[in-house]
Amino acid sequence: DIQLTQSPSFLSASAGDRVTITCRASQGISNYLAWYRQQPGKAPKLLIYAASTLLSGVPSRFSGSGSGTDFTLTISSLQPEDFATYYCQQLNSSPYTFGQGTTLEIK
Amino acid sequence: EVQLVQSGAGVKKPGESLRISCKASGYTFTGYWIGWVRQMPGKGLEWMGIIFPRDSDTRYSPSFQGQVTISADKSITTAYLQWSSLKASDTAMYYCVRLETAAFPRLIVPFDYWGQGTLVTVSS
Repeated sequence: DIQLTQSPSFLSASAGDRVTITCRASQGISNYLAWYRQQPGKAPKLLIYAASTLLSGVPSRFSGSGSGTDFTLTISSLQPEDFATYYCQQLNSSPYTFGQGTTLEIK
Repeated sequence: EVQLVQSGAGVKKPGESLRISCKASGYTFTGYWIGWVRQMPGKGLEWMGIIFPRDSDTRYSPSFQGQVTISADKSITTAYLQWSSLKASDTAMYYCVRLETAAFPRLIVPFDYWGQGTLVTVSS
């Protein structure tokens, strides 16, 4: 199975800050990577697929980059609803594993 | 509007059977894969498997193969996740998900719609 390691696991920031989350795959997955946001008590929501393509309706403050084994999710200006847990998921091969999650907390 | 509406929470005893459901609406049910994701208490997400309702082609994560059964009834646009003998370790939130686009073995646009989740508690 392909392992995904996210860093950091926890991140404290303030509204308006720019933050970056990293996801590293245990083997190359080209650009077959997605990012999700899970707000407390809610189902996850797809933000980005193909490493950098925003799903329709997702705010432009979200951006993704990377290819191969190293990927990043950047939020340019944090909004209150962005304080949540973020997961990456590899889409290259079954089983379609997720990273362990990064929890973004209000500083 | 695409909606995935899941059945309600349940409490079961170890060894009991259970089937939870996911009612899909707002899109062509037979045109998309639909599947399940597990989230154990305080933990991350785990992909369990998917089914293509048109022909019932089903693909499981090796971790869940033989542990659960995924099925679908296209006449009522509903997907199911079933256990024959629950264990305490099955206690989790289970999410129904729609897979937008796949070119197996790769997923192109993954889980774009999620159900609200069904909490399954297994306790003696």
